[in-house]
Amino acid sequence: AQSVSQHNHHVILSEAASLELGCNYSYGGTVNLFWYVQYPGQHLQLLLKYFSGDPLVKGIKGFEAEFIKSKFSFNLRKPSVQWSDTAEYFCAVIRGGGADGLTFGKGTHLIIQP
Amino acid sequence: GAGVSQSPSNKVTEKGKDVELRCDPISGHTALYWYRQSLGQGLEFLIYFQGNSAPDKSGLPSDRFSAERTGGSVSTLTIQRTQQEDSAVYLCASSLGPYRLEGYTFGSGTRLTVV
Repeated sequence: AQSVSQHNHHVILSEAASLELGCNYSYGGTVNLFWYVQYPGQHLQLLLKYFSGDPLVKGIKGFEAEFIKSKFSFNLRKPSVQWSDTAEYFCAVIRGGGADGLTFGKGTHLIIQP
Repeated sequence: GAGVSQSPSNKVTEKGKDVELRCDPISGHTALYWYRQSLGQGLEFLIYFQGNSAPDKSGLPSDRFSAERTGGSVSTLTIQRTQQEDSAVYLCASSLGPYRLEGYTFGSGTRLTVV
């Protein structure tokens, strides 16, 4: 079975700091990769996704993620965070073809201090 | 509808009682999913529907949990004889089927508290 690991469970940063949240998955075949965000009191929203092509994908609100196949990683980055980025971030994977559905990591709680 | 709708948004129940949670997916989305979100545990997959059938029930934690979907639309997750460890936020999501590659659209969830 595939699994998704998010190494940082809690991250605290100051505004304007750079952000990188780690995500690794275990499946060796073709994968589709996602980052979801859950702002306080709100539902999960899709931040960005990778299917194929350019391994550097850009999402909403200045976020980007890079798919590195050799490292089984899909880390989320943002050059300069804002207080409004405080949220829970989830990495998720679907195996190619979608047979196993969407598997989520345990999430990273990001707190941005003003 | 425009989004995935879940009801109730909050439910407090006594241990041992049965509860029903409802999910109304986006119109035209044939795939529907239930997840459970507990503090520190991320999102735990419960069950998936394609149309009215559930090809994957592997995530249901016990036989006290069941789900059905009728008319290819509304789904109900039922928890019988609730226990305190059932307390969590239950999330429903839907997607265009059958390959689900576009990602899911989530509802706001039902926060279940068993006292």
